[in-house]
Amino acid sequence: DAGVIQSPRHEVTEMGQEVTLRCKPISGHDYLFWYRQTMMRGLELLIYFNNNVPIDDSGMPEDRFSAKMPNASFSTLKIQPSEPRDSAVYFCASSISGVDSEQFFGPGTRLTVL
Amino acid sequence: ELKVEQNPLFLSMQEGKNYTIYCNYSTTSDRLYWYRQDPGKSLESLFVLLSNGAVKQEGRLMASLDTKARLSTLHITAAVHDLSATYFCAVPHFGNEKLTFGTGTRLTIIP
Repeated sequence: DAGVIQSPRHEVTEMGQEVTLRCKPISGHDYLFWYRQTMMRGLELLIYFNNNVPIDDSGMPEDRFSAKMPNASFSTLKIQPSEPRDSAVYFCASSISGVDSEQFFGPGTRLTVL
Repeated sequence: ELKVEQNPLFLSMQEGKNYTIYCNYSTTSDRLYWYRQDPGKSLESLFVLLSNGAVKQEGRLMASLDTKARLSTLHITAAVHDLSATYFCAVPHFGNEKLTFGTGTRLTIIP
């Protein structure tokens, strides 16, 4: 089975540009999570969805960040406009509801904003 | 607010030695997860601990959970170089699927 798929794997952009990160969760998983990892702040949850509905977006840094999940197999995280401090690795993870609820992580997108 | 603390943050060990990584958390939880991350890679699930007293072992790694003490340990037995990585514990918030991760422990095994 394919794991969580993210694209692009690397993104370099200039300050002020729009950036869109994409994620395909594992088929059958009903939870999807977006995380950001930096040296300074560690691994932070940005937002998570259950059955395509956003449940908790309290980790989204500011209005420049938005996330959508139009269907069970696709989600996007958009940053507009991007800033150098947004440079980080962004991970998508998915899980299936139940006692275990183990989260499986995608390979990540390394974003560099110049 | 749920806080998750790991110690030590950095650990250099000689091959063949034993050591323990500690994970403390601040609020009630009956589950805990351990992940491994190699440099430049994603997070790989190691253990899912689902109840007080849970113990799981995989090769040279053994994880345990004490929910009353709000403490989990990851024990490394007879370390080998392949175990060099950063290890994270993660605790779910009560009643939902949100995870808070610890700061991570960067483990380096020295030949």
